[in-house]
Amino acid sequence: DAGVIQSPRHEVTEMGQEVTLRCKPISGHNSLFWYRQTMMRGLELLIYFNNNVPIDDSGMPEDRFSAKMPNASFSTLKIQPSEPRDSAVYFCASSPGTAYGYTFGSGTRLTVV
Amino acid sequence: DAKTTQPTSMDCAEGRAANLPCNHSTISGNEYVYWYRQIHSQGPQYIIHGLKNNETNEMASLIITEDRKSSTLILPHATLRDTAVYYCIVRVGSTDKLIFGTGTRLQVFP
Repeated sequence: DAGVIQSPRHEVTEMGQEVTLRCKPISGHNSLFWYRQTMMRGLELLIYFNNNVPIDDSGMPEDRFSAKMPNASFSTLKIQPSEPRDSAVYFCASSPGTAYGYTFGSGTRLTVV
Repeated sequence: DAKTTQPTSMDCAEGRAANLPCNHSTISGNEYVYWYRQIHSQGPQYIIHGLKNNETNEMASLIITEDRKSSTLILPHATLRDTAVYYCIVRVGSTDKLIFGTGTRLQVFP
């Protein structure tokens, strides 16, 4: 198994541009999570899906952020418009369900200049 | 949400056991304790989890006190590659949510 696959690994964009981060979970995992990590705030849960349905998006910072999971093998996190304070490492993780551990991807390092 | 308290940092000599403590005094009866670690710039890695009983796998052992208010992660023979930030997390109720705290930075030295 290739694990959780995130793309791109690095993204540099200008303030105001739209950014789309992508995630392919492990096949058979029915829960998917998006986290953001910064030095100041640590690892923050942004949103999670169960069976492709968003369950809890209370961690999404504001309306500029949106996440979708159109099918069991793909999810996107979009920021529009991007701002310098969005600079962080964004992790995607998947899990086969409650009482199991998550598997994290390698992350996308986003820099907004 | 049950909070966890961990020391900010710890040191351990290579080859010795690393014992990482965690307090979770407000844990509820159906909440699991999870341990993850994060090696610099990588995604967090699952280590082990448990509810009431002690657990062991190829990576570590998890000792949970009888009152479940604290636990200890044991790396039996620490190596330099075990240098990482270790997170103790209590899963939120019956949901899948894992809320990460600040963790313990473990430094294994030669």
